[in-house]
Amino acid sequence: EAGVVQSPRYKIIEKKQPVAFWCNPISGHNTLYWYRQNLGQGPELLIRYENEEAVDDSQLPKDRFSAERLKGVDSTLKIQPAELGDSAVYLCASSPGQSDTDTQYFGPGTRLTVL
Amino acid sequence: GQNIDQPTEMTATEGAIVQINCTYQTSGFNGLFWYQQHAGEAPTFLSYNVLDGLEEKGRFSSFLSRSKGYSYLLLKELQMKDSASYLCAVMDSNYQLIWGAGTKLIIKP
Repeated sequence: EAGVVQSPRYKIIEKKQPVAFWCNPISGHNTLYWYRQNLGQGPELLIRYENEEAVDDSQLPKDRFSAERLKGVDSTLKIQPAELGDSAVYLCASSPGQSDTDTQYFGPGTRLTVL
Repeated sequence: GQNIDQPTEMTATEGAIVQINCTYQTSGFNGLFWYQQHAGEAPTFLSYNVLDGLEEKGRFSSFLSRSKGYSYLLLKELQMKDSASYLCAVMDSNYQLIWGAGTKLIIKP
């Protein structure tokens, strides 16, 4: 069974430029998460989807970040415009959505460097 | 506020045993997860504890004491490939995972 797929794996942009990340969750997983992880820290939740509905976006910086999950499968996370402090690894995770305590399975992440 | 504490770094010898501790203070408790994360890779699930006691899974075991807000991950017969960061995460009353900063484990021959 394929795991969570993310692209690109690496992205280098200049500040003020836009950037987008794509995630394809494990087949059949209804819940999808976007996290941001800085070096030497644990992941920080940005947004959680149940199917196509964003059920927790309280920690998403909405002035520059946006996300969508059309048709309740793939998802994209966008930053516009990017700032130097946005440099981090952006992780996507999915879980079956059958229980609130389901295990989350992570993709390889996108390492973003903003110059 | 919510807080997860674990040591920043630990060193152990190949073939030995190491215990990585995690203490937590969260708004509610719906279980504790341990994940392994190799450098530059995604976190991978190791264990889930929601009841007090020890859960054993091969060379890895995880212990939970809810009354003490404490967990540990025990790794036996250490191998070089066990060099990684180990992340402790608690699911709070809103079913959101609160993550520790991770413990970097260095295995020496």
